[in-house]
Amino acid sequence: KAGVTQTPRYLIKTRGQQVTLSCSPISGHRSVSWYQQTPGQGLQFLFEYFSETQRNKGNFPGRFSGRQFSNSRSEMNVSTLELGDSALYLCASSPRSDNSGANVLTFGAGSRLTVL
Amino acid sequence: AQSVTQPDIHITVSEGASLELRCNYSYGATPYLFWYVQSPGQGLQLLLKYFSGDTLVQGIKGFEAEFKRSQSSFNLRKPSVHWSDAAEYFCAVPSDTGFQKLVFGTGTRLLVSP
Repeated sequence: KAGVTQTPRYLIKTRGQQVTLSCSPISGHRSVSWYQQTPGQGLQFLFEYFSETQRNKGNFPGRFSGRQFSNSRSEMNVSTLELGDSALYLCASSPRSDNSGANVLTFGAGSRLTVL
Repeated sequence: AQSVTQPDIHITVSEGASLELRCNYSYGATPYLFWYVQSPGQGLQLLLKYFSGDTLVQGIKGFEAEFKRSQSSFNLRKPSVHWSDAAEYFCAVPSDTGFQKLVFGTGTRLLVSP
């Protein structure tokens, strides 16, 4: 069974540009969530999608957005990039849709974004 | 709000020695608890989880963790560390806002000396 696939793995952008990251969840998983990992702030939740609907959002500016397609694949977009957006962006998928907290997330390898 | 504290930023252990990584949590009810491991340049891999029942849970790669409600702790242990265990370890609990949001600790970086 294929795992969570994130593309691209590495990318370099300059300030002011925008970037789109892609995530393909494990087959059958309909929930996809995104996290940002930086040395200073650690792992922070960005947002979660289920059945093409955003159900939860972290405390990030509106420059960070996402979407989910009918096949459960998800993309996140960051517009007007800032130096502080340099981070590892991790996608995770889950087979469960409930809000119980008993959801095991399977993470992808991440997309390493460097903003110059 | 839920929170997780991992008091040790770095730990160095000799290969073959035992390991214990500390995790303290703040959670309103009986918690769900997770340990993840991250190798350099990789994503997070689930080591083990506690949902209910036996307070000593077994995970992959020979790791185990013990849930102690009285101490609000969920420490990770391994009896004999291998060089390949060098990585960063994260403890996590679900957020009270739910829907796949995990609150992670700051992580403990494990170094293994020969």
